[in-house]
Amino acid sequence: EDQVTQSPEALRLQEGESSSLNCSYTVSGLRGLFWYRQDPGKGPEFLFTLYSAGEEKEKERLKATLTKKESFLHITAPKPEDSATYLCAVQSNTGGFKTIFGAGTRLFVKA
Amino acid sequence: ETGVTQTPRHLVMGMTNKKSLKCEQHLGHNAMYWYKQSAKKPLELMFVYSLEERVENNSVPSRFSPECPNSSHLFLHLHTLQPEDSALYLCASSQDKVGGPLETQYFGPGTRLLVL
Repeated sequence: EDQVTQSPEALRLQEGESSSLNCSYTVSGLRGLFWYRQDPGKGPEFLFTLYSAGEEKEKERLKATLTKKESFLHITAPKPEDSATYLCAVQSNTGGFKTIFGAGTRLFVKA
Repeated sequence: ETGVTQTPRHLVMGMTNKKSLKCEQHLGHNAMYWYKQSAKKPLELMFVYSLEERVENNSVPSRFSPECPNSSHLFLHLHTLQPEDSALYLCASSQDKVGGPLETQYFGPGTRLLVL
């Protein structure tokens, strides 16, 4: 069964304190892995799509990486405005049209 | 309007009421989705429409009834809901028809539903 597990559940950082969020996945043939950012009371905002192991993508202070078993979202020198819930999701080659989401990591960045 | 819009943004209803949620996408996409998001739980896929045809009904109770009159509009009709149905209901769209190239989904802001 396809599964996505995100850790930690919550992460508290000081401004400027770099860290990483983890997304572990079990899927029968990865079609793609997505990262989204979700602010309270809003819909998820698309960040990245990763297709194959070894791929990396960057956007401002965020960098997403992918291996055969997990993905990391690295946050370099975070700012308070980076505080949000970060969601990971996967699509499989055999899953048809289903996108499986993790429960998310709630990130708090304190000034 | 740009992106994916949803109305209403907030809804309070009794268990005997009938209401509808509306979603509109302004991206020229071919697929639309309804998700349910409950506190501290992963997004749950409810329904998928591809080129206005329902292609997924993820074991959703019949008190939820979707409608997709065209590729830009999606409705979720609600009737005789239960308090446990209170959640954030999210609409999303993707460019390609389901089963095509990898479908990145773009989400609306959601409707916060409270069932009393």
